[in-house]
Amino acid sequence: EPEVTQTPSHQVTQMGQEVILRCVPISNHLYFYWYRQILGQKVEFLVSFYNNEISEKSEIFDDQFSVERPDGSNFTLKIRSTKLEDSAMYFCASSDSLYGYTFGSGTRLTVV
Amino acid sequence: AQSVTQPDIHITVSEGASLELRCNYSYGATPYLFWYVQSPGQGLQLLLKYFSGDTLVQGIKGFEAEFKRSQSSFNLRKPSVHWSDAAEYFCAVAIRTGGGNKLTFGTGTQLKVEL
Repeated sequence: EPEVTQTPSHQVTQMGQEVILRCVPISNHLYFYWYRQILGQKVEFLVSFYNNEISEKSEIFDDQFSVERPDGSNFTLKIRSTKLEDSAMYFCASSDSLYGYTFGSGTRLTVV
Repeated sequence: AQSVTQPDIHITVSEGASLELRCNYSYGATPYLFWYVQSPGQGLQLLLKYFSGDTLVQGIKGFEAEFKRSQSSFNLRKPSVHWSDAAEYFCAVAIRTGGGNKLTFGTGTQLKVEL
């Protein structure tokens, strides 16, 4: 069964550093997403991406965040200058038009 | 704005007992509804989804859910719980946007299974 692959599974970074979280969506999917789950809290939508541009973003997704699909297969989330409160599990997801919404296994980001 | 409420934060059941996890949603149009399960430190695994048609939906691992429009509910059920079902369960509603479907999640229900 097709999978969404995320790397790394765990990343530790120092406050103020830039991080890039990587995702390989399912190959025939057109819509790509990032979600975040702070420890012990619910999963929150960050951003959706379609046709090489952001289609929707939440209030969490401020200027410190950016997304990119650099080569037609990878989908990345960049946090420019990490804060302690960015520590969370980040999930990538992809979907076709309506069905087949699939999440990756997540990247646990720890900011120290 | 759409929202999802899971009123039970924690539920404890005995192995072999039946289970029902509650989910209520608030959304103006026809909802697309999902249940996900998450084991500690793991990702989100889709249990089942409802888009249209039969309001009783069968999923993996013996789970089912029933969509009740009149009650704005999508409760998850299992007739006999196994110890391996201990995990956190999330209900979610999908909102169609121009760029796909945005999921709004509930706060989750932590299931503990007593042997």
